[in-house]
Amino acid sequence: DAGVTQSPTHLIKTRGQQVTLRCSPKSGHDTVSWYQQALGQGPQFIFQYYEEEERQRGNFPDRFSGHQFPNYSSELNVNALLLGDSALYLCASSLIVREEKLFFGSGTQLSVL
Amino acid sequence: AQSVSQHNHHVILSEAASLELGCNYSYGGTVNLFWYVQYPGQHLQLLLKYFSGDPLVKGIKGFEAEFIKSKFSFNLRKPSVQWSDTAEYFCAVRGSARQLTFGSGTQLTVLP
Repeated sequence: DAGVTQSPTHLIKTRGQQVTLRCSPKSGHDTVSWYQQALGQGPQFIFQYYEEEERQRGNFPDRFSGHQFPNYSSELNVNALLLGDSALYLCASSLIVREEKLFFGSGTQLSVL
Repeated sequence: AQSVSQHNHHVILSEAASLELGCNYSYGGTVNLFWYVQYPGQHLQLLLKYFSGDPLVKGIKGFEAEFIKSKFSFNLRKPSVQWSDTAEYFCAVRGSARQLTFGSGTQLTVLP
């Protein structure tokens, strides 16, 4: 049984570019949340998707957007990249009825040059 | 808004020493509290959680945490650490907004 998988594992972009990160939730899970973890910090909540809609959102600008597909997989898109967007991006999945039981992926390390 | 403060950024202990990692949160309402652990090269995983009831909760690998409401604290403890406990530990809180807010983490290094 695969856990949460994220792709790619590493990514290098330049300022102003756009990036798409992908996440496949743990089998049977219907909810996906995205977090940003800057170096030396704890993960910060970006948003959560359920039933293909954004259900909650943290304090992130509109440059950060997402999508959830009918198979529950999800994408995180970041437009107009800034140097400060360099971070580890974590995906976590759960069941909507058991939100507290989060399973995390290993993350995508994004470097913006 | 809810927030979490972890007092120690880096803790170094010898094997068999006792561990206590501090965590304080800021939130006026009912909270759920969590400790997550990230072992080197692995993903974040849940160590233990508190929702209600007995304020002393036990987790995996001999860890426990005590919720003290009057102090807004949820400290993590282990009586005797092992080299394999070397990892980064994150305290997290969830309030009515249902969002998980993490602290900045504590890196624990256990010397053999």
